Amino acid sequence: SQKIEQNSEALNIQEGKTATLTCNYTNYSPAYLQWYRQDPGRGPVFLLLIRENEKEKRKERLKVTFDTTLKQSLFHITASQPADSATYLCAARAEYGNKLVFGAGTILRVKS
Amino acid sequence: DVKVTQSSRYLVKRTGEKVFLECVQDMDHENMFWYRQDPGLGLRLIYFSYDVKMKEKGDIPEGYSVSREKKERFSLILESASTNQTSMYLCASSRLTGQPQHFGDGTRLSIL
Repeated sequence: SQKIEQNSEALNIQEGKTATLTCNYTNYSPAYLQWYRQDPGRGPVFLLLIRENEKEKRKERLKVTFDTTLKQSLFHITASQPADSATYLCAARAEYGNKLVFGAGTILRVKS
Repeated sequence: DVKVTQSSRYLVKRTGEKVFLECVQDMDHENMFWYRQDPGLGLRLIYFSYDVKMKEKGDIPEGYSVSREKKERFSLILESASTNQTSMYLCASSRLTGQPQHFGDGTRLSIL
């Protein structure tokens, strides 16, 4: 069955460095992927969407890639700041039906 | 900005009770969703609706039902609450299929 996998271990990085988060999908090829940010006690907030025919998408300090050969999306935050500390969720269009399948999320901690 | 409002941030109920969780969105979105979020499991889709009075089962519909009598309101019903339904419940909406979802801040439900 379709599966979206994100690193379960938290990512700890120093302020100013680039954070790279990974999202792997298995058993199918989603038409698009979405990335969300979630702060403690809050609902997820949409960040970026990338379609299968797009290699890369950028928004300010954020960049997302979609590699259909590796079945992987990478989410980059350049010049990271402590305010970027949050849980980041990857979601893919489901194989069947008009819905999203979410990964469990990766916690990012940016230390000053 | 889209606003998705969930009626309660915290709720404590007893096993066997019928529980209603309410969600309202103010942007005339077609699609509405109910998820539950548990540590390590990510967001799992319970039910969704793409039009008034229409509903579709998600991945974990057992023990739940939904109601969408008006476009802006989507209710989740726990028919007879059980302790394994203790969780964070998140409501979301999107204008059309495939577009980003906008989430409420969640209801943390405890079943004792």
